[in-house]
Amino acid sequence: DIVMTQTPLSSPVTLGQPASISCRSSQSLVHSDGNTYLSWLQQRPGQPPRLLIYKISNRFSGVPDRFSGSGAGTDFTLKISRVEAEDVGLYYCMQATQFPFTFGGGTKVEIK
Amino acid sequence: EVQLLESGGGLVQTGGSLRLSCAASGFTFTSHAMSWVRQAPGKGLEWVSSISSGGVNTYYADSVKGRFTISRDNSKNTLFLQMNSLRAEDTAVYRCARGAYSEIYDMGAGYLDDWGQGTPLTVSS
Repeated sequence: DIVMTQTPLSSPVTLGQPASISCRSSQSLVHSDGNTYLSWLQQRPGQPPRLLIYKISNRFSGVPDRFSGSGAGTDFTLKISRVEAEDVGLYYCMQATQFPFTFGGGTKVEIK
Repeated sequence: EVQLLESGGGLVQTGGSLRLSCAASGFTFTSHAMSWVRQAPGKGLEWVSSISSGGVNTYYADSVKGRFTISRDNSKNTLFLQMNSLRAEDTAVYRCARGAYSEIYDMGAGYLDDWGQGTPLTVSS
């Protein structure tokens, strides 16, 4: 199984400042079709997960452009350019390149 | 608007069985693979199972293989998870999630683009 490791576990951020979350996979997420099926999900308190980013860097419909994804191979990053109060919550990376799908352990974004 | 509404959770004894349902609306159900993902109290996300758009192909996490069965009724736009031999470690909120549409792959386009609110399961002796 592909192990997804996220850092940091917690990210206290000042409103308006950037935040960055790292996700590393135990093996390359490049699929035989050439795509990399790495996505990022946000889970606000008491809510289900919500898709933010798919295939490394594609923002899902309705996601603010302060969210961006980057990376390749085994190393990926989610960046929030200017954190807003509504961004508080848990963030997960997920790989769907191969079964079983696996998630990172989660990163908690909170306001300082 | 896409809606995924899970039901069927509850309190069950260790070794018991339960069937979860996920009623889908607002999209063409037959065009999307579907998955179940669970979240134990205070814990992260764990993928449980996925089924292809036509229901032919299924995949399971090792932790549930042989005990859980995913299925779908495309005539009723409903996804199911039959859970047998339940254990305390199966206690979690179970959510169904829609696989993104793919013209090529019946297992979806490689990400889960919509999630239900979930139904809670507690397994206790």
